[in-house]
Amino acid sequence: EAGVAQSPRYKIIEKRQSVAFWCNPISGHATLYWYQQILGQGPKLLIQFQNNGVVDDSQLPKDRFSAERLKGVDSTLKIQPAKLEDSAVYLCASSLMREGYTFGSGTRLTVV
Amino acid sequence: DQQVKQNSPSLSVQEGRISILNCDYTNSMFDYFLWYKKYPAEGPTFLISISSIKDKNEDGRFTVFLNKSAKHLSLHIVPSQPGDSAVYFCAASVGNDKLIFGTGTRLQVFP
Repeated sequence: EAGVAQSPRYKIIEKRQSVAFWCNPISGHATLYWYQQILGQGPKLLIQFQNNGVVDDSQLPKDRFSAERLKGVDSTLKIQPAKLEDSAVYLCASSLMREGYTFGSGTRLTVV
Repeated sequence: DQQVKQNSPSLSVQEGRISILNCDYTNSMFDYFLWYKKYPAEGPTFLISISSIKDKNEDGRFTVFLNKSAKHLSLHIVPSQPGDSAVYFCAASVGNDKLIFGTGTRLQVFP
């Protein structure tokens, strides 16, 4: 089966600019996650979708981050405006069950 | 509040020997624990898991041990191989809730 697809792989932007990341989960996986991994830290959940509904967005900085999952398939994560501390790898994962988390390769964001 | 902790940021082991990676947690409600492996420029990949009703789970060269009283789990890799060199994350969850990850341990297996 095809894996979780993410794009772009790398992005460099200036602070206060906006950026968007895209994720295409594994076909049939109802649950989709966006994680943020800052260098030297473990992945931290930003938002969890079940189909196209939000299950958990308690750690999403809603003043600047937004995410949507149209039709319960693809998802986009947006940051507007970006701050220096947003520099991280943004990982998308999808799953059927807990141990079925499949991660994409991530998008490495550098904010300068 | 770091609920899942990996206190060793790095570990270096000779090929053929045992690698032991440790993880501690604070939330007694966690009932499912997993280990993920991550190579550079790739996403984490699932390695092995254990339910809180067990104290050991084995899969080939990989064994995970869970000590609930100590809130501690460990991953044993025997024998270690150069291809095992990666960052290892432990993760935990409550029910079907989100996974909470530790900070990772970088394992280097040298010849």
